[in-house]
Amino acid sequence: DAGVIQSPRHEVTEMGQEVTLRCKPISGHNSLFWYRQTMMRGLELLIYFNNNVPIDDSGMPEDRFSAKMPNASFSTLKIQPSEPRDSAVYFCASRGLSGSNTDTQYFGPGTRLTVL
Amino acid sequence: AQSVTQPDIHITVSEGASLELRCNYSYGATPYLFWYVQSPGQGLQLLLKYFSGDTLVQGIKGFEAEFKRSQSSFNLRKPSVHWSDAAEYFCAVGASRGNKLVFGAGTILRVKS
Repeated sequence: DAGVIQSPRHEVTEMGQEVTLRCKPISGHNSLFWYRQTMMRGLELLIYFNNNVPIDDSGMPEDRFSAKMPNASFSTLKIQPSEPRDSAVYFCASRGLSGSNTDTQYFGPGTRLTVL
Repeated sequence: AQSVTQPDIHITVSEGASLELRCNYSYGATPYLFWYVQSPGQGLQLLLKYFSGDTLVQGIKGFEAEFKRSQSSFNLRKPSVHWSDAAEYFCAVGASRGNKLVFGAGTILRVKS
């Protein structure tokens, strides 16, 4: 199994630019999570989807952030416009069916975003 | 609301020595508890989890953790540390098996030879 795939692994952009982070969950998993990791705030859940439907986006910091999951094998996290304080590592995680032996969050390698 | 406290930001142990990383949680009902490990530049890897049943849980890489409800703790242990165990360790609590995990701040483990 390839695991959770995230792209790009590193992104450097200038303030005001649009940034799109991509995630491919593990095949067969039906939940997907986006996290942000910073030194100051640690790991924070931004949003999660069940069966491609957003369930809880209370962690999304502001309207500049948006996330979509058009199908079971792809999700995006978009920041528009980006700001220096958005610099962080963004992780995607996926989870299998509730009650199954994959009923745990599996993390991708992360995207390190730097906004200049 | 759920919360997790990892009291130790850094811990240094000698290779071959035993290890215990502390984790205290706050949650009103039966918690779902997890330990993850993160190597530099990598994502988080699940070490072990507690959902119910036996309070001593075995995980990968020789790690184990014990759930103590009376102390609201879920400490991670390993009898003999290897240099490759140097990483950051995160404890997490959830209201269900996999949704809405709340993570602790992490403990950085250094292993000296």
